[in-house]
Amino acid sequence: NAGVTQTPKFRVLKTGQSMTLLCAQDMNHEYMYWYRQDPGMGLRLIHYSVGEGTTAKGEVPDGYNVSRLKKQNFLLGLESAAPSQTSVYFCASSYGAVSGNTIYFGEGSWLTVV
Amino acid sequence: AQSVTQLGSHVSVSEGALVLLRCNYSSSVPPYLFWYVQYPNQGLQLLLKYTSAATLVKGINGFEAEFKKSETSFHLTKPSAHMSDAAEYFCAVNLDTGRRALTFGSGTRLQVQP
Repeated sequence: NAGVTQTPKFRVLKTGQSMTLLCAQDMNHEYMYWYRQDPGMGLRLIHYSVGEGTTAKGEVPDGYNVSRLKKQNFLLGLESAAPSQTSVYFCASSYGAVSGNTIYFGEGSWLTVV
Repeated sequence: AQSVTQLGSHVSVSEGALVLLRCNYSSSVPPYLFWYVQYPNQGLQLLLKYTSAATLVKGINGFEAEFKKSETSFHLTKPSAHMSDAAEYFCAVNLDTGRRALTFGSGTRLQVQP
């Protein structure tokens, strides 16, 4: 019963370092998303993908890149981490056929940039 | 454009009391509306969703919400609060048929007093 799995769960980075967050889903979902959660701001969409090989920008894409080489995986990269990217990152996925479909979330990745 | 407003970042109720968490949306087209719950250090779990069928939607853990188009509201209620209901609750809307992504409110933290 894995659902959406994120790795790593916790990470501390120094300013300027790079890293990749990995998201894997086993539900054969077409759509995948990366959100960030900050206190008092809810969740904001960083990037999303509507299928293998596709990516698109969300509300707050600056400083992040993504790739969807395989349908089940969605990677979020930080090329040069900044303290403003300290946040909790959530990956999510959905079947996507209609807008009312449920979006399923992973358990989050806590990232601190010092 | 779509947006979601949650009134009250913190709500405190006594155990056994009514829970009312408020959500208003702005939309020029009929929305799909969702309530998610987040327990400490966990991901988001779907409580319930409105997808243009019945206006009164029943969810898990005894929660329900009523879609009121005239008031552009989708408030979440539970007749009797339990200690285990303490969590953060997010209202979200999905309108964009292209990306199928959710736009979240800023969240309401529910505290249940014994």
